[in-house]
Amino acid sequence: EAGVAQSPRYKIIEKRQSVAFWCNPISGHATLYWYQQILGQGPKLLIQFQNNGVVDDSQLPKDRFSAERLKGVDSTLKIQPAKLEDSAVYLCASSKRQSLWGTAPDTQYFGPGTRLTVL
Amino acid sequence: AQKITQTQPGMFVQEKEAVTLDCTYDTSDQSYGLFWYKQPSSGEMIFLIYQGSYDEQNATEGRYSLNFQKARKSANLVISASQLGDSAMYFCAMREENTGGFKTIFGAGTRLFVKA
Repeated sequence: EAGVAQSPRYKIIEKRQSVAFWCNPISGHATLYWYQQILGQGPKLLIQFQNNGVVDDSQLPKDRFSAERLKGVDSTLKIQPAKLEDSAVYLCASSKRQSLWGTAPDTQYFGPGTRLTVL
Repeated sequence: AQKITQTQPGMFVQEKEAVTLDCTYDTSDQSYGLFWYKQPSSGEMIFLIYQGSYDEQNATEGRYSLNFQKARKSANLVISASQLGDSAMYFCAMREENTGGFKTIFGAGTRLFVKA
């Protein structure tokens, strides 16, 4: 089974430029997550999709970040304009969970991440 | 307040010995899940083990076991027979079913160094 794919792996841009990241989740996984991981910290959830609907985007800086998941499969995360503090690794993850309810483990499987450097 | 606390920024262990990585959590939910992930230098997060709040038995997965003490709100990861390949960052995470809105929150991580 193919894992979560992300591209690009690395990106260097100047502040105020725009950038986009792409994620292809594991086939059949209903839930998709975007995390931001700043150096030395744990991942922080930016946005969570259930199929193509947004479940949680409370920590997404909506003035500059946007994300979409068309047709409930692939997803893109965009930053426009970028700031120096956006330098981080952006991780995409997916899980099988079909419903928000229940106590079954919602194990998330992560992609390799995109390392963004803003100069 | 921190929801997930990992108090050990770095740990050293001798190859073939066991090591415990600490994790405490804070929640008022009755239903929640606890996860441990490994992040090698390559950057990918690798799922290791899961413990549900209603699970009575401690979770085990091969050389990994989770020492779940619900009353103390701790979920320590025990790695037995450490191997050089275990050197990595380890993250504890919690998903709250009710008040947390199903969001998974990660701790700051513990870097494990395995010595030959």
